[in-house]
Amino acid sequence: KAGVTQTPRYLIKTRGQQVTLSCSPISGHRSVSWYQQTPGQGLQFLFEYFSETQRNKGNFPGRFSGRQFSNSRSEMNVSTLELGDSALYLCASSQGDPQSPLHFGNGTRLTVT
Amino acid sequence: GNSVTQMEGPVTLSEEAFLTINCTYTATGYPSLFWYVQYPGEGLQLLLKATKADDKGSNKGFEATYRKETTSFHLEKGSVQVSDSAVYFCALYSSASKIIFGSGTRLSIRP
Repeated sequence: KAGVTQTPRYLIKTRGQQVTLSCSPISGHRSVSWYQQTPGQGLQFLFEYFSETQRNKGNFPGRFSGRQFSNSRSEMNVSTLELGDSALYLCASSQGDPQSPLHFGNGTRLTVT
Repeated sequence: GNSVTQMEGPVTLSEEAFLTINCTYTATGYPSLFWYVQYPGEGLQLLLKATKADDKGSNKGFEATYRKETTSFHLEKGSVQVSDSAVYFCALYSSASKIIFGSGTRLSIRP
């Protein structure tokens, strides 16, 4: 079955702009979570959606937001971009219980100039 | 709160050497434990998991045992290959918290 698909693969934006990233989970998975990966901070959890509801949230400012649609596809939005938002953004899907592993997409590389 | 502490990298070994990457955790309740691997330019992939104490997860020659008494989940492999070069992440997940990843350990294997 198809894996987790993230689009676009690369993005270049300027400070102050906003951006929307998309994630299509594995069919049947109801949980989608988002992560920011940077060399300095490692892998940091942004938020998790389960059946269209935000279930968990990390320690990121309100400029970072997300949503999940009825088909489990998810989008992440970052407004008023800052240079420090440059990172690899990873999306993962799962069944949503603690014993289920995460299945990751290949990520979206965001560069803010 | 829950946390994961992982061995600092980078780790450089020769092919066929024995590998250990240490991982310890702090958690309330009974979390599930995972090792994920990230190859260059890719997202993370599940390597192995253990969902209860004394479980041993294994895959591709890698093993890790869920040790509740020492709160550890160390990753081992008896003979590494060049193709094992990647970044390895230890992680825990419980129903009471979001998933928490360690800082990652970069592994490089010399031919």
